[in-house]
Amino acid sequence: EVQLLESGGAFVQPGGSLRLSCAASGFTFSKFVMSWVRQAPGKGLEWVSAVSGSGDKSYYTDSLKGRFIISRDNSKNMVYLQMNSLRAGDTALYYCAKDSVVQGVMNHWGHGTLVTVSS
Amino acid sequence: DIQLTQSPSALSASVGDRVTITCQASQDITNSLNWYQQKLGEAPKVLIYGSSNLETGVPSRFSGRGSGTDFTLTISSLQPEDFATYYCQQYGSLPLTFGGGTKVEMK
Repeated sequence: EVQLLESGGAFVQPGGSLRLSCAASGFTFSKFVMSWVRQAPGKGLEWVSAVSGSGDKSYYTDSLKGRFIISRDNSKNMVYLQMNSLRAGDTALYYCAKDSVVQGVMNHWGHGTLVTVSS
Repeated sequence: DIQLTQSPSALSASVGDRVTITCQASQDITNSLNWYQQKLGEAPKVLIYGSSNLETGVPSRFSGRGSGTDFTLTISSLQPEDFATYYCQQYGSLPLTFGGGTKVEMK
């Protein structure tokens, strides 16, 4: 059974940094693209970033380029999101998601980890 | 970036009703369109991928169609467990983008 477990969410002040982690199990981790998707309180879904199965390619939504960095460790079945220069607008529930064999189709999701940016 | 416009943003319906949600893309995405269901307090779940392909385990009352810029999700006979928010998402080009969502509420 595929399982994705996010961690690392916290309350942080504007300008701070945070690293989110996602522990994956139940599938051949290195074969699948992994993404982060966020959802601000009461709002819709926003794709944040994705990383290729080998980890050599990463993709970001335009507004976050340069502040967020996605990475993965295939030896540990982990994917990470390093978030820097955090702003109030980054407050959201951050989901880790696994692509299906069709890249861009996110067929498994974690339960999310909450990031709150406030002074 | 490709914008996805969903309509309506909310609708009220009764059990047994046929419900249709539309999603319009700002440019041609061929059939690179998914539909997700999100219940309150839960993670999204993919229902339809590639415009019309039913994800394994999803009831056949859900169907999707469309290509290019215009897409629809139809629930043929609304069930109590279908009251939720539905999102379209395109993967025709990066960045991936979602529609604004359609909340299906009980009439």
